[in-house]
Amino acid sequence: KAGVTQTPRYLIKTRGQQVTLSCSPISGHRSVSWYQQTPGQGLQFLFEYFSETQRNKGNFPGRFSGRQFSNSRSEMNVSTLELGDSALYLCASSLTGEGINIQYFGAGTRLSVL
Amino acid sequence: EDQVTQSPEALRLQEGESSSLNCSYTVSGLRGLFWYRQDPGKGPEFLFTLYSAGEEKEKERLKATLTKKESFLHITAPKPEDSATYLCAVQPRNSGYSTLTFGKGTMLLVSP
Repeated sequence: KAGVTQTPRYLIKTRGQQVTLSCSPISGHRSVSWYQQTPGQGLQFLFEYFSETQRNKGNFPGRFSGRQFSNSRSEMNVSTLELGDSALYLCASSLTGEGINIQYFGAGTRLSVL
Repeated sequence: EDQVTQSPEALRLQEGESSSLNCSYTVSGLRGLFWYRQDPGKGPEFLFTLYSAGEEKEKERLKATLTKKESFLHITAPKPEDSATYLCAVQPRNSGYSTLTFGKGTMLLVSP
């Protein structure tokens, strides 16, 4: 069974640009969560989607947004990039989003903002 | 506010030298505590879920335990391939089904 797939693996952007990251969850998983990982802050929750609806949102500015499609694939978008947005962006999928959820992570997208 | 603190930040062991990693948490009602392993350049890999105080789970050289305020990851006779960053996360009962609050991790290096 294929795992969580994130594309692209690496991105280099300049300040002010926008970027879109993609995540394909494990087949059958309907919940997709996004996290930002930095050396200073560790893993921080961005948002979670279930059945094409954003169900939870972390404490990030509105420049960070996402969406989920009917096949459960998800994208996240960061507009007006800042240097501080440089990070590893991780996507995690889980089965239903109810009860105890084991989240399975992809390898991440490494974003560098110059 | 929910908080997870892991210690030590980094740990260097000789092969075969057993030790424990600590995860202290403050949460308003715990739904579950998770341990993950993360290798450089990769995403976190799920290891264990613990649900209630007193629970223990084992996998090869790893054993995770849970009390009301902390969890330990015991590593028995580690090998170099156990070198990784170990992450602890809690799922609070009141913060949404899939939201995890992570600690900053313990970077483990096992030398041959």
